Amino acid sequence: GENVEQHPSTLSVQEGDSAVIKCTYSDSASNYFPWYKQELGKRPQLIIDIRSNVGEKKDQRIAVTLNKTAKHFSLHITETQPEDSAVYFCAATPTGGGNKLTFGTGTQLKVEL
Amino acid sequence: EAGVVQSPRYKIIEKKQPVAFWCNPISGHNTLYWYLQNLGQGPELLIRYENEEAVDDSQLPKDRFSAERLKGVDSTLKIQPAELGDSAVYLCASSFGSGRSAYEQFFGPGTRLTVL
Repeated sequence: GENVEQHPSTLSVQEGDSAVIKCTYSDSASNYFPWYKQELGKRPQLIIDIRSNVGEKKDQRIAVTLNKTAKHFSLHITETQPEDSAVYFCAATPTGGGNKLTFGTGTQLKVEL
Repeated sequence: EAGVVQSPRYKIIEKKQPVAFWCNPISGHNTLYWYLQNLGQGPELLIRYENEEAVDDSQLPKDRFSAERLKGVDSTLKIQPAELGDSAVYLCASSFGSGRSAYEQFFGPGTRLTVL
């Protein structure tokens, strides 16, 4: 089955700096890669996703890049703000996998003033 | 539009007792998922429904866990008997069954279970 690894497990940045979270996956059939943000005690919320037919997608301060050859994808947050502090999860699902998401172990992002 | 609704939000029980969780998905979403989230970990799929049919329950510990989705809308996840290791957050999610939006899963707030 799919295996998703996520790094780093914790990330601390100064407000206004950029943050990058990286994930690798094992199943070359995976074709959908969402990123979820989870604040303490709250539900995971989809913040951005990318499909395997594109290499990069951007939404305001958030961008995701995908390298299918290397089987890794990354989340980039620019101009970080305190409200970006949360746990971020990457996930992957293969074609024909019935949309079975395999999640990474999460990255605790802390944006310091 | 209302999101995925779950109840209860918190549950504390003694080990060996039964417990049930309820989920109401987003209206129009044919696919429903139950996930288990341990502290400091990502969600792990327990079971996936397409309408009322359980199409992937390979990760569900069937000796003590059961689930149902009568009429293809609401769903209930049950544990009987509960064990100490079952303490976790149980998340429900839903998505459209087909089309480009089929992949996007929307999560409920979860039920935090504590087994004493």
